[in-house]
Amino acid sequence: GAVVSQHPSWVICKSGTSVKIECRSLDFQATTMFWYRQFPKQSLMLMATSNEGSKATYEQGVEKDKFLINHASLTLSTLTVTSAHPEDSSFYICSARDRGGSSPLHFGNGTRLTVT
Amino acid sequence: QKEVEQDPGPLSVPEGAIVSLNCTYSNSAFQYFMWYRQYSRKGPELLMYTYSSGNKEDGRFTAQVDKSSKYISLFIRDSQPSDSATYLCAILTGGGNKLTFGTGTQLKVEL
Repeated sequence: GAVVSQHPSWVICKSGTSVKIECRSLDFQATTMFWYRQFPKQSLMLMATSNEGSKATYEQGVEKDKFLINHASLTLSTLTVTSAHPEDSSFYICSARDRGGSSPLHFGNGTRLTVT
Repeated sequence: QKEVEQDPGPLSVPEGAIVSLNCTYSNSAFQYFMWYRQYSRKGPELLMYTYSSGNKEDGRFTAQVDKSSKYISLFIRDSQPSDSATYLCAILTGGGNKLTFGTGTQLKVEL
């Protein structure tokens, strides 16, 4: 089945630094990837939709200058959390669709970010 | 009213029990229905995907959709301790791009 790889699986960084998270579709091409954030015991909240070769579309309330998304190829999207603060500590999960239309999303294993 | 409602649980059942997990939704434009399983500190794993009313079976799992009632269910037969996880329903509009998730139901299957 479709595999989405996310790296790193966990990261600890100091307040004020930036962190980059990678999301790769391993056995399919993904024109669209999605970035979610999940707080403990809560559901996934969509942050942004990443389109290959164009600017990402951010959900309301998500700061695009803080969460930089780059979808440089059909198999790679990156999320950079800039000038991280402790309140950015969360579980970040990417997903991708292996075909257009309404095929289901496949998710990476998430990145746990802790900002100290 | 949320677009997708799901009982957060937690739900605790003995091993071997039949588990019923449910979601209701309000938007009749929703056409595609998915169930994901999420273990602690992992990403969601796709379990079932369906787009029509009725039942779809895969091993011990059965997904049921009733579009007239806007109600979807996931049944787990012969539940195992390894089924202990959070189960999320997710729904998509036809031609849409954005999944709408339920809050997830935490399930614990006890020996």
